Amino acid sequence: AQTVTQSQPEMSVQEAETVTLSCTYDTSESDYYLFWYKQPPSRQMILVIRQEAYKQQNATENRFSVNFQKAAKSFSLKISDSQLGDAAMYFCAYRSNPNTGNQFYFGTGTSLTVIP
Amino acid sequence: KAGVTQTPRYLIKTRGQQVTLSCSPISGHRSVSWYQQTPGQGLQFLFEYFSETQRNKGNFPGRFSGRQFSNSRSEMNVSTLELGDSALYLCASSSEGRGTQYFGPGTRLLVL
Repeated sequence: AQTVTQSQPEMSVQEAETVTLSCTYDTSESDYYLFWYKQPPSRQMILVIRQEAYKQQNATENRFSVNFQKAAKSFSLKISDSQLGDAAMYFCAYRSNPNTGNQFYFGTGTSLTVIP
Repeated sequence: KAGVTQTPRYLIKTRGQQVTLSCSPISGHRSVSWYQQTPGQGLQFLFEYFSETQRNKGNFPGRFSGRQFSNSRSEMNVSTLELGDSALYLCASSSEGRGTQYFGPGTRLLVL
C-alpha cells in the first residue's frame, strides 16, 4: 500500500510570511494524483490544491503552490503571504490512478499556526 | 452545486448500540468514500462505493458496513458500538476522471 509521510506535526508562521509544509510518499506507480487538504477548526476538509503526477509543471492556486519532485517522491506546499485564516491542519493525500478505484491515502497532518 | 451533506452532525450512543450515518454526495458524483478521524489514528479509510458497489475497503472490522443507493446517497452502519468508535466520520464524494474528493462536514459520534 502507498504511504504518505508528513514529518512536521506542527508549524508556525508570522502573518504575511511564507511557510512550506513537507510531504513525502512511497509508491511504485507512475500515474497518480497528489492533494493538499486543509481542515480548519470547523472540521470541514477543504481542497487546497491538486497535482497530477504526469504534469511536470507545479500547481498553483493563488497564494498556494507546490513543489512536486516526482523522482524524490516529494510534494511540499508553500503558502505565501500567510493569513490568519490559513491556520488549520493540513493533510497531504495520495490517490492512485482512477482505474484502480478511488482510495486516498492521507498523511498524519501538519498543524499550522499563524502568528499575528 | 450543493456540497456534500452528512446527517446527523452529532450523535451520542451507548456501547452495544448500532448507528447509521448518511451521506449525500455532490450531484453527479457516483463515488462515495468514508473515513474515520480520531486524534490518535488520524484519517483512516473505511470504504468506497461506486455505482452501488463497494469498490475498496479499509482495514476495519465487519461491524462497519455501508451501502450506496441508486441516487448515489450512501449510508454507513456501525453495529455493537465500542468506546473506541467515538470519532469524526467523514464522507467524501468524487466524479470519475478528475478524482478530487470533496468532503462533507462530518458526523461526530460519541459512544458512552
